[in-house]
Amino acid sequence: GNSVTQMEGPVTLSEEAFLTINCTYTATGYPSLFWYVQYPGEGLQLLLKATKADDKGSNKGFEATYRKETTSFHLEKGSVQVSDSAVYFCALSPSGGQNFVFGPGTRLSVLP
Amino acid sequence: DAGVIQSPRHEVTEMGQEVTLRCKPISGHNSLFWYRQTMMRGLELLIYFNNNVPIDDSGMPEDRFSAKMPNASFSTLKIQPSEPRDSAVYFCASSLSSGYGEQYFGPGTRLTVT
Repeated sequence: GNSVTQMEGPVTLSEEAFLTINCTYTATGYPSLFWYVQYPGEGLQLLLKATKADDKGSNKGFEATYRKETTSFHLEKGSVQVSDSAVYFCALSPSGGQNFVFGPGTRLSVLP
Repeated sequence: DAGVIQSPRHEVTEMGQEVTLRCKPISGHNSLFWYRQTMMRGLELLIYFNNNVPIDDSGMPEDRFSAKMPNASFSTLKIQPSEPRDSAVYFCASSLSSGYGEQYFGPGTRLTVT
């Protein structure tokens, strides 16, 4: 079946540090891949997406590349800010499907 | 667009009472999803609709839970009778089924059952 695995949190970084949150997936066919972010007290917001192998999604300084050979979609940011503190969810949408599979989420805390 | 609208934002009720959560999807979206989020179990898909028809309700915990979508702009999730273990944040999300599947989430309803 389809599944998403994320690195366990919480992740605590100092402001301006480099961020990587690992995400790997298992899926049949060619899924679309997403990163969502959830700020405290809010719903999930789409951060970025990639719909085919080697695509790079980017937004707000965050990037992730769809690597089919390693079935990965790691989230990176070169310099985090306190305002990036949130929970980050990796997700996939099976090819042709509407039913998302979300990872467990990784909580990021950025200290000033 | 106002985004996905959910009401109420907070609900506190006693065990055994009926609870109804409401959702208005983004206009033009034809898929709607109900999720439940808890610390223990994370984000769980309860049910999703396409063009107002329930497509997958395998995530609905038990018969106490029911969901309806009478038209394209409104959906309800009902719990009857409610139990303390139903306490969670319930999210509604909508999407365009013709797109790449990105879902747009509402702000959630925090349910507390005492």
